[in-house]
Parts: sequence; C-alpha cells; structure tokens
Amino acid sequence: NAGVTQTPKFRILKIGQSMTLQCTQDMNHNYMYWYRQDPGMGLKLIYYSVGAGITDKGEVPNGYNVSRSTTEDFPLRLELAAPSQTSVYFCASSPTGIAFFGQGTRLTVV
Amino acid sequence: QQQVKQSPQSLIVQKGGISIINCAYENTAFDYFPWYQQFPGKGPALLIAIRPDVSEKKEGRFTISFNKSAKQFSLHIMDSQPGDSATYFCAAKTGANNLFFGTGTRLTVIP
Repeated sequence: NAGVTQTPKFRILKIGQSMTLQCTQDMNHNYMYWYRQDPGMGLKLIYYSVGAGITDKGEVPNGYNVSRSTTEDFPLRLELAAPSQTSVYFCASSPTGIAFFGQGTRLTVV
Repeated sequence: QQQVKQSPQSLIVQKGGISIINCAYENTAFDYFPWYQQFPGKGPALLIAIRPDVSEKKEGRFTISFNKSAKQFSLHIMDSQPGDSATYFCAAKTGANNLFFGTGTRLTVIP
C-alpha cells in the first residue's frame, strides 16, 4: 500500500493564479482531511470529508474548495492564490479519526 | 482560538535524559488524544495515543500521562536518543472524528 499520496511536492504560484493539490489514498478510508501547517501554528484543518460526496469546512476554509467524488481522491482547489496561502499542505485519511498523513505539498505564493 | 495548548515550543535534552512535553485542553467532548512525530520534510506520523478513561499508556520509551480532572496530558520520552530529534504534536479528537493539534514542540537531543 502506498498510503496517502500527495502531488505535487513543491509549487510556486503567482498571486491570483489557481491550482489543485491532489491527494489519493489506497487504504479505503472513509475520512479524509486537508490541513495546512504554518511555523509555530501547528496544523489547522481546512476541509474534511466523511465519505464520497460529503465534505465540510474545518477551521480555516476561506480561499479553498474541495470535492470528494470517490473514496480514494480528495483534491484541494485554490482559486485565487494569495500570499497568505503560502504554507505546507497535508492531506490525511482515517478509518476512525486517527489520521495517516501524506508527505505534504510546499506551496509558495509570490 | 487554540483548542489544544502545547508547551514548550522547543526542548533540548541530553542523550539519555527524559523529554517531557505538556498539553492542555478545555473541550470535554474530546474522546481520544494522539501524539504525532514529524521529521523535517515528512508528514506527521502517529506515535502513541490514549483514551480519557486511562491515566497512563506506555509503548517502549514513550509514555503518555493523562489527567482528566486537570484536562492535561503529557508525553514522556525516556532515555532520549538523537534519533528522537523531531517535532512532536499533541492532538485531541472530537466525536465527529476531527483532530485539533497543538502548536508543536521541536525536540533536539544532543549526544
């Protein structure tokens, strides 16, 4: 099993550009999450999903969108990139709420 | 508002010493308390976890102590090794299966 796979690993965006961070898991977990990690701030929940077709906002959802069309995939969309979205983004999946994390995507908005 | 408060922010320990990281919470609806270990450039990985009806859990050199009445829990790393140098996050899980994380502790174990 590959676990949770995130692509890309690194990305530089210009202000106002859009992009999709990809996340896929092969563990058949129902729960999936997107977190962002900023220095000294821990991990903040952006969006989560309890199953295909169901998504909900976390602590810091503004500026992001998600979809969950399959159990395996949970992409995160940034529509109009802003410098405040410079961060490391982690996708995670879980069978019960204890998360298994991907390797992260380091995003810089300039 | 930080749901889980973690201290210290950084910690330096001699090899063989005990590392202690503390966390506190307010929400009594939390029902599971995991600790995660993160190495640079990697995602957090589950280290050890405890339920609130248990006061202590030990796995090898890692021990969680849990004080339900004080709403505090801590991670003890016995016989700390340079390979333990990493960032440690405490977390708390709601019944809706969402995890709230502390701000992290960067542990450095010096030889």
